[in-house]
Amino acid sequence: KAGVTQTPRYLIKTRGQQVTLSCSPISGHRSVSWYQQTPGQGLQFLFEYFSETQRNKGNFPGRFSGRQFSNSRSEMNVSTLELGDSALYLCASSTQGANTEAFFGQGTRLTVV
Amino acid sequence: AQSVTQLGSHVSVSEGALVLLRCNYSSSVPPYLFWYVQYPNQGLQLLLKYTTGATLVKGINGFEAEFKKSETSFHLTKPSAHMSDAAEYFCAVSVKRDEKLTFGTGTRLTIIP
Repeated sequence: KAGVTQTPRYLIKTRGQQVTLSCSPISGHRSVSWYQQTPGQGLQFLFEYFSETQRNKGNFPGRFSGRQFSNSRSEMNVSTLELGDSALYLCASSTQGANTEAFFGQGTRLTVV
Repeated sequence: AQSVTQLGSHVSVSEGALVLLRCNYSSSVPPYLFWYVQYPNQGLQLLLKYTTGATLVKGINGFEAEFKKSETSFHLTKPSAHMSDAAEYFCAVSVKRDEKLTFGTGTRLTIIP
């Protein structure tokens, strides 16, 4: 069974640009969540999608957005990049329910210069 | 809203010694509790989880944790540390009807040969 796949693994962007990250969940998983991991702030929840609908949203500015497609694949977009957006972005997929295991991808390392 | 506190951002133990990583949570409703491990440049992997039932939970790689409601704790232990246990460990909480995982700030475990 294939795991959660995130592409690309590494990305370097310039301030002001925008970026799109992709996440393919485990087959059959309909919930996809995104997290930002930084040394200073730790793991912070961005948003969660279930069956193409955003179900939960964290405390991030509107520059951070996402979507989910009918095949459960998800994309995350960050517009007008700032230096502080440099982070490891992790995607996790799960079946329905807060008591179920979240399976994480290896992440996309975004560096903003 | 729920929160997680992990005492000790860095813990060092000798190979063969007891591993104890502390986690306290705050939640106004019954929580689901998780421990995840992260190896360098990797995503997170579930070690164990508590949802309902037995309060002593056994996980992978010889780890276990005990849910103590009266102390609002979910400490992670392993009787004998192995070099391969060196990693970062995250405690997380979620609650029913909320797909969001709230993570602690993590504890980096170092094993001394």
